[in-house]
Amino acid sequence: DIQMTQSPSSLSASVGDRVTITCRASQSISSYLNWYQQKPGKAPKLLIYAASSLQSGVPSRFSGSGSGTDFTLTISSLQPEDFATYYCQQSYSTLVDTFGQGTKLEIK
Amino acid sequence: QVQLQESGPGLVKPSGTLSLTCAVSGGSISSSNWWSWVRQPPGKGLEWIGEIYHSGSTNYNPSLKSRVTISVDKSKNQFSLKLSSVTAADTAVYYCAREGGYYDSSGYYYPCFDYWGQGTLVTVSS
Repeated sequence: DIQMTQSPSSLSASVGDRVTITCRASQSISSYLNWYQQKPGKAPKLLIYAASSLQSGVPSRFSGSGSGTDFTLTISSLQPEDFATYYCQQSYSTLVDTFGQGTKLEIK
Repeated sequence: QVQLQESGPGLVKPSGTLSLTCAVSGGSISSSNWWSWVRQPPGKGLEWIGEIYHSGSTNYNPSLKSRVTISVDKSKNQFSLKLSSVTAADTAVYYCAREGGYYDSSGYYYPCFDYWGQGTLVTVSS
């Protein structure tokens, strides 16, 4: 199975900061990487698909990059509503989907 | 707008079977999408359980495969999850989700979970 590892597990930042979250796959997954945002008590929300494509309605301060095994999610200027937990997910395998363990973004 | 709604008992006894249903509205379960179950233990991350296509084809997480059955009812536009021999470790919020996706300019298809239910908490306890 493909394992997904996110870093850091938690992160403290301030409004206006630029933040980067990393996701690494245990094998090459080309660009089959999605990013989700989850707020407490809510379902995950798709932010980025195919490693770098912005889902409709998602603010442009969110961006994704990478291919192969290393990927990043960047928030260019943190807003108060961005404090949440972020998950990466590989969709390369047609048999098993896998999520990263999550990165909790907290207010400094 | 596709909407998904989970339903089922919120409390299951240890060694029993957890049963949940996901009702799909605003779209057809017979569309060209896979339909998944994802769970999240309290305070922990997301775990994919398995998926089903309207034809009945399924894929399961190897770690749960021996205990999981996912089925589809096209007449009711819904799909269901059964997890047997549950323990306290199966206590979680259970989500159903649609695996949609997008084609790039080269014709490659990129799956992603684009619609989610609100989730339902299932507690395993006597």
